[in-house]
Amino acid sequence: KDQVFQPSTVASSEGAVVEIFCNHSVSNAYNFFWYLHFPGCAPRLLVKGSKPSQQGRYNMTYERFSSSLLILQVREADAAVYYCACRGSSNTGKLIFGQGTTLQVKP
Amino acid sequence: NAGVTQTPKFQVLKTGQSMTLQCAQDMNHEYMSWYRQDPGMGLRLIHYSVGAGITDQGEVPNGYNVSRSTTEDFPLRLLSAAPSQTSVYFCASSYGRGDSYEQYFGPGTRLTVT
Repeated sequence: KDQVFQPSTVASSEGAVVEIFCNHSVSNAYNFFWYLHFPGCAPRLLVKGSKPSQQGRYNMTYERFSSSLLILQVREADAAVYYCACRGSSNTGKLIFGQGTTLQVKP
Repeated sequence: NAGVTQTPKFQVLKTGQSMTLQCAQDMNHEYMSWYRQDPGMGLRLIHYSVGAGITDQGEVPNGYNVSRSTTEDFPLRLLSAAPSQTSVYFCASSYGRGDSYEQYFGPGTRLTVT
C-alpha cells in the first residue's frame, strides 16, 4: 500500500533550525511535496522536487525514499501543521499525504 | 485567477439531511479531489477526478457522491449526513501530469452534523 510517514509532533525553540522528517513506501514516486497548513486556511505548497531545494527559510533534503523539511530561524508564527506528500504510483495525479506534523515552537 | 473556491465556508446539518459542497477552479486543471481533515488524521482522500466525466473513489468514499460534468466544477454530495461526517472538507486541483502534480487547495468547508 502506498503510504507516507512523518512524525505527529516536533517541538523546537525560537531561532533554532527545525527538521521534519518524512519517508514513503511508494514504489515509483520520485518527487516530494511539502505543504504548510494553518487552521482555517488552505494548505499551501512550501517546496517540492526530486532534488534538494530551498525556498526562503525552507530547505528540502532529498533521498530516494525520504526527505526532510528544514525550517531556518524558526519563529512562533511557524507553529502549524506540515504535510509531506508524494505522487501516487497510479499516475492519476493523486498525491499521497502523510498524517501531518504539528510543529510546536517555544519562545 | 480566483484559484480554487469552495462554498459554503461553514455548514450545520441535522443527521439524515443531504447537501452539496461546491468546488470550482479556474486554472483549467484536469485533476480535482476532495479531502476531509480530522484531528490527528491528516488529509484523507474521499473522491477524485482525472477529467470531466471520470471519477474514482479515494480512501474514505462511503457516504459521499461526486460527479464531474465540467472541467471547472467538482461538487461533493452528502446523501444522508451522519455525525461521523463532521469534519473540515478541502477541495484541491492540479494539472496532474508531468512535473505538475502540485495541488492547489481551496479554503475549506467546516461541516458540523448534529
